[in-house]
Amino acid sequence: EIVMTQSPPTLSVSPGERATLSCRASQSISSNLAWYQQKPGQAPRLLIYGASTRATGIPARFSGGGSGTEFTLTISSLQSEDFAVYYCQQYNNWPLTFGGGTKVEIK
Amino acid sequence: EVQLVESGGGLVQPGGSLRLSCAASGLTFSNYAMSWVRQAPGKGLEWVSGITNNGGITYYADSVKGRFTISRDNSKNTLYLQMNSLRADDTAVYYCEKGHLWFDPWGQGTLVTVSS
Repeated sequence: EIVMTQSPPTLSVSPGERATLSCRASQSISSNLAWYQQKPGQAPRLLIYGASTRATGIPARFSGGGSGTEFTLTISSLQSEDFAVYYCQQYNNWPLTFGGGTKVEIK
Repeated sequence: EVQLVESGGGLVQPGGSLRLSCAASGLTFSNYAMSWVRQAPGKGLEWVSGITNNGGITYYADSVKGRFTISRDNSKNTLYLQMNSLRADDTAVYYCEKGHLWFDPWGQGTLVTVSS
């Protein structure tokens, strides 16, 4: 099973600042990685797939990068609605696995 | 617009069974693999099971293998998850998902609570 490790667990950021979230795979997953955003009481929402392709309707301030085992999600200028928990997920191998999440909170 | 509506959740005693359903609309259901993903209260996301578009191949997380069975009825555009020998750590919101790669969109989920 591929283990996905996200860091940091919590990221404190001021509105308007840049946030960079990390996700590491225990073995190479090529670019078979997705990112999700989840707000309290809501279902997750797909942000990124293929490591760097934004899903439909996702603002350009969200960008994904990386390949192999190291990945990043960058939010260029945090808006109030971006404070949430973010998960990465690999779909290179069965079983599909998620990271433990990074909570982006207001500093 | 793709819609996935989960149902069948509820309160069940440890060792009991439950069958979840997912009604799909807005897509050609028989063209897509489908999956179940769950989220325990206050915890992260966990992929549970997947099934190919024709139902010929199924996949399970180790945590549910031998206890859960995924199936589908393409004539009814419906996905199922039969859950047996339920345990307290199966308590979660269960989401039905289109595909077996990335997941989009997400429905509202159905809550399964395993407790005596």
